[in-house]
Amino acid sequence: EVQLVESGGGLVQPGGSLRLSCSASGFTFTNYALHWVRQAPGKGLEYVSTINDNGNTINYADSVKGRFTISRDDSKNTLYLQMSSLRTEDTAVYFCVKDLRGNYALDFWGQGTLVTVSS
Amino acid sequence: QSALTQPRSVSGSPGQSVTISCTGTSSDVGGYNYVSWYQHHPGKAPKLMIYGVFNRPSGVPERFSGSKSGNTASLTISGLQAEDEAEYYCCSYAGTCWVFGGGTKLTVL
Repeated sequence: EVQLVESGGGLVQPGGSLRLSCSASGFTFTNYALHWVRQAPGKGLEYVSTINDNGNTINYADSVKGRFTISRDDSKNTLYLQMSSLRTEDTAVYFCVKDLRGNYALDFWGQGTLVTVSS
Repeated sequence: QSALTQPRSVSGSPGQSVTISCTGTSSDVGGYNYVSWYQHHPGKAPKLMIYGVFNRPSGVPERFSGSKSGNTASLTISGLQAEDEAEYYCCSYAGTCWVFGGGTKLTVL
């Protein structure tokens, strides 16, 4: 059974940093690209970032480019999102998502972790 | 990376059919056959319902179907059931990223 468990969310001041983690199990981690998607309170889903299966192709939404860094540790089956220079508009539930290989779709989602940026 | 356009809400009675539209541009919906649809119940993880415009993942009922014409994709749900009430999001690959629609609230009357 595929499982994606996010952690690391919490309250942080504007300008601060936070690192999210996503622990994966139930599939061959190294075979899949992984994504981060977020949902601000009362808003829709917003794409954040993608890292491909071998980690050498990374993409970011314009809204987070230069501030967020996605990475993966295949030895730990874990995906990360390092967030810096956080803004109030980064407040959201952050979902870790497994890629549907070869189909450019997001086929399994974690439950999400809440990040609140506020003074 | 502008969001795809979806109606804010749709509704239907049990047993009826509803269609949710998703309009983008030639840089996303119109340029790739990689449109996907997600069902999201509040407080739960979103669920993939359609990928590659019209493909259903294993376990998704045949009542859910997808299509595309030009820059507009559509999700049709036939034989509405109470448990279909949720928020639905379209999503398209856009070359180096993905772009979502704003979401459509489906109410089953």
